[in-house]
Amino acid sequence: GQNIDQPTEMTATEGAIVQINCTYQTSGFNGLFWYQQHAGEAPTFLSYNVLDGLEEKGRFSSFLSRSKGYSYLLLKELQMKDSASYLCAVMDSNYQLIWGAGTKLIIKP
Amino acid sequence: GAVVSQHPSWVICKSGTSVKIECRSLDFQATTMFWYRQFPKQSLMLMATSNEGSKATYEQGVEKDKFLINHASLTLSTLTVTSAHPEDSSFYICSARDAAGGGMETQYFGPGTRLLVL
Repeated sequence: GQNIDQPTEMTATEGAIVQINCTYQTSGFNGLFWYQQHAGEAPTFLSYNVLDGLEEKGRFSSFLSRSKGYSYLLLKELQMKDSASYLCAVMDSNYQLIWGAGTKLIIKP
Repeated sequence: GAVVSQHPSWVICKSGTSVKIECRSLDFQATTMFWYRQFPKQSLMLMATSNEGSKATYEQGVEKDKFLINHASLTLSTLTVTSAHPEDSSFYICSARDAAGGGMETQYFGPGTRLLVL
């Protein structure tokens, strides 16, 4: 079966760095996405990785290792507004998005 | 950037009534739109994939006669929840894939519709 695993909840301090991990087992791979979802709102696109390595976008970076079925989202200089759920999703061989359950990130002052 | 709108954003209805939710791509054409449902504290669940001009493809366990999907144009898909019941109360989100986009990331989400069935 297809499976995406990520931690249910994480807590971090304002100004610090946090890494949210995601492991996956899917039938085929056409890229891995990270989305941010604030409570009561729809997800917003953060990043897309299809090749191994690190992609950096401002305070957010995303890493992918296809051989290990592993990705992480790195958030630097955390701000209170970063409190949200972070969803990992993998596009399988049928170009369907397989979603993780999301990681709720709590930022404390 | 590409924008997807949904209407209404909130709907409260009585049990047994039908509710229609519209999803529009405002500045791009979408050959494919996706309908998701999300219950509180749970991840997105894909309900169906809607292709312009053809029948929608429903995920296992989703009743096609209860959740009617119409993708009549390249910018509009509708989801009708027929004979809604309280267990249908959820957050319904659509997303649209840009027909012209070459990258896999060209899938944009609408703001969602919160349905409460009394």
